[in-house]
Amino acid sequence: NAGVTQTPKFRILKIGQSMTLQCTQDMNHNYMYWYRQDPGMGLKLIYYSVGAGITDKGEVPNGYNVSRSTTEDFPLRLELAAPSQTSVYFCASSNPASLTDTQYFGPGTRLTVL
Amino acid sequence: AQSVTQLGSHVSVSEGALVLLRCNYSSSVPPYLFWYVQYPNQGLQLLLKYTTGATLVKGINGFEAEFKKSETSFHLTKPSAHMSDAAEYFCAVLIPWGNKLTFGGGTRVLVKP
Repeated sequence: NAGVTQTPKFRILKIGQSMTLQCTQDMNHNYMYWYRQDPGMGLKLIYYSVGAGITDKGEVPNGYNVSRSTTEDFPLRLELAAPSQTSVYFCASSNPASLTDTQYFGPGTRLTVL
Repeated sequence: AQSVTQLGSHVSVSEGALVLLRCNYSSSVPPYLFWYVQYPNQGLQLLLKYTTGATLVKGINGFEAEFKKSETSFHLTKPSAHMSDAAEYFCAVLIPWGNKLTFGGGTRVLVKP
């Protein structure tokens, strides 16, 4: 049971390039989330998904896209990377059917856009 | 909409001293409350949570937090700091049966020998 895994761990992009951040969970959780973490700002929700085929915007969705074709995977796509997207990105998952609604986090992807 | 305020972005404590991290929230309904810890270069790990019932919640590594509805607070404490407690701590709020955690800005704890 690996929990939530993310790839890559680190990435440097040039302005205007695109990339996909991968996230996979093996806990059969319905809910999955993407956050970005900036110093002193806590975590901001980018997108979330309540199940395969269903996604919705969070607090800071501009410049990002997501898809959810399976329960396990929730990739985050960056199109036309900008320096403002330099951040640490965390994927998380949860099972709201449980009483506690705890979110489990992956180890993060550190992205730098130059 | 809910929000979370953590007072103090950095806290420095001596080893063996009390750790107190402050968290205040605003929410239109009684929320679930969480504390997460993030060690350097790692993801967030759940420290403890309050959902219903007893307002004093005990978590891992000797931490505890008390939910005070009248003060809209959920402060985190540990009686005696250890060097291994050096990390960043995040308070978060979740509306019951909602699906979005709202995080505070985080408090980085430095433990001095």
